[in-house]
Amino acid sequence: DTEVTQTPKHLVMGMTNKKSLKCEQHMGHRAMYWYKQKAKKPPELMFVYSYEKLSINESVPSRFSPECPNSSLLNLHLHALQPEDSALYLCASSQVVVNQPQHFGDGTRLSIL
Amino acid sequence: KNEVEQSPQNLTAQEGEFITINCSYSVGISALHWLQQHPGGGIVSLFMLSSGKKKHGRLIATINIQEKHSSLHITASHPRDSAVYICAVSCISSGSARQLTFGSGTQLTVLP
Repeated sequence: DTEVTQTPKHLVMGMTNKKSLKCEQHMGHRAMYWYKQKAKKPPELMFVYSYEKLSINESVPSRFSPECPNSSLLNLHLHALQPEDSALYLCASSQVVVNQPQHFGDGTRLSIL
Repeated sequence: KNEVEQSPQNLTAQEGEFITINCSYSVGISALHWLQQHPGGGIVSLFMLSSGKKKHGRLIATINIQEKHSSLHITASHPRDSAVYICAVSCISSGSARQLTFGSGTQLTVLP
């Protein structure tokens, strides 16, 4: 069982819908990450939160809106997505100190109709 | 920006074979990670190393900092080892959190 829990596991939404992806960890990690992964490709970093503050935004379109309400939770709000946004969205967490492994969730498989 | 190259891209082996996956990177790093991803999607961190060699069960990871090269070895391979193995390197980013630069992955299939 993964220590990083992502919900939902699957999500199908239309281009006009608004939905949210959720990620939760209770390992005391203060760095949390969102990645997007297309089929047969490596993960691409989207956002990094450090001590609940957004520290990196990898030029992600504004239709993706991250939120870190507390040290255990990370959300990704979705609005007006495009078909090319269909992908596996992975959440990860780590300690902020140097050279620590990232712990990944099982991901949310998102399909945009 | 660090370039991370993995080889081979695809590898098919018979159960019991010794397997090696290679990873090269272009600039200095703080650590190298080996990750495993099963078809369901979840990623598991296998090793993080910045020097030398680590062993966990049938898995061995080595790194040569001077050569900028790492290898992941699987001894006595088993069909349950079938997965995508991803090499990633850590580089310093703002806010003291660590970004990973990923290789393209190696799809391993172990046949019974």
